[in-house]
Amino acid sequence: DVKVTQSSRYLVKRTGEKVFLECVQDMDHENMFWYRQDPGLGLRLIYFSYDVKMKEKGDIPEGYSVSREKKERFSLILESASTNQTSMYLCASRGAGGVLDNEQFFGPGTRLTVL
Amino acid sequence: AQKVTQAQTEISVVEKEDVTLDCVYETRDTTYYLFWYKQPPSGELVFLIRRNSFDEQNEISGRYSWNFQKSTSSFNFTITASQVVDSAVYFCALLTGNNRKLIWGLGTSLAVNP
Repeated sequence: DVKVTQSSRYLVKRTGEKVFLECVQDMDHENMFWYRQDPGLGLRLIYFSYDVKMKEKGDIPEGYSVSREKKERFSLILESASTNQTSMYLCASRGAGGVLDNEQFFGPGTRLTVL
Repeated sequence: AQKVTQAQTEISVVEKEDVTLDCVYETRDTTYYLFWYKQPPSGELVFLIRRNSFDEQNEISGRYSWNFQKSTSSFNFTITASQVVDSAVYFCALLTGNNRKLIWGLGTSLAVNP
């Protein structure tokens, strides 16, 4: 079974802090994704990565950056956290995308509160 | 434009009732995939099913069934004899062509009451 883990389930940070959210998958997947989920807004894609050191902006990249130095790890970075970044953050991974390999597998989520 | 619409924001049923969650999609691509995910209160999204655009066969898995109709661009999800454990938010999503990004519906929150 695919396992996607996220470094924290709950995180509380102060405005202006630099925040790192880590995601690790154990299925050698090429693609990894970071979403945020807010009530009434569904899942919104922040960034995704289709290979090591490769990244592409999603729908709401402002205020975020990412890092993928190793295939299994995809980090989301909030350079200077703000209160409007309080949200649930979900990481997902996906294989190369063949017909039977294109579903995303999700981690448990990190609920981030910025005070 | 590509879009997924889940018109039902919230549904509340009593245990053992049947319930259908609607999903309507828009795409001009001829090759695409549709997905359903379940997000229980614990928060982790769980993959339920994938359907590709060339396979309109309906699918049944236990109490769950899916009705894919290209003529109406719909991919509806029915839970038969609902149970309290079915309470969750359910998301429909679309993947087209060579895209890596899923297009998500906003989800339907299902509450099954005892």
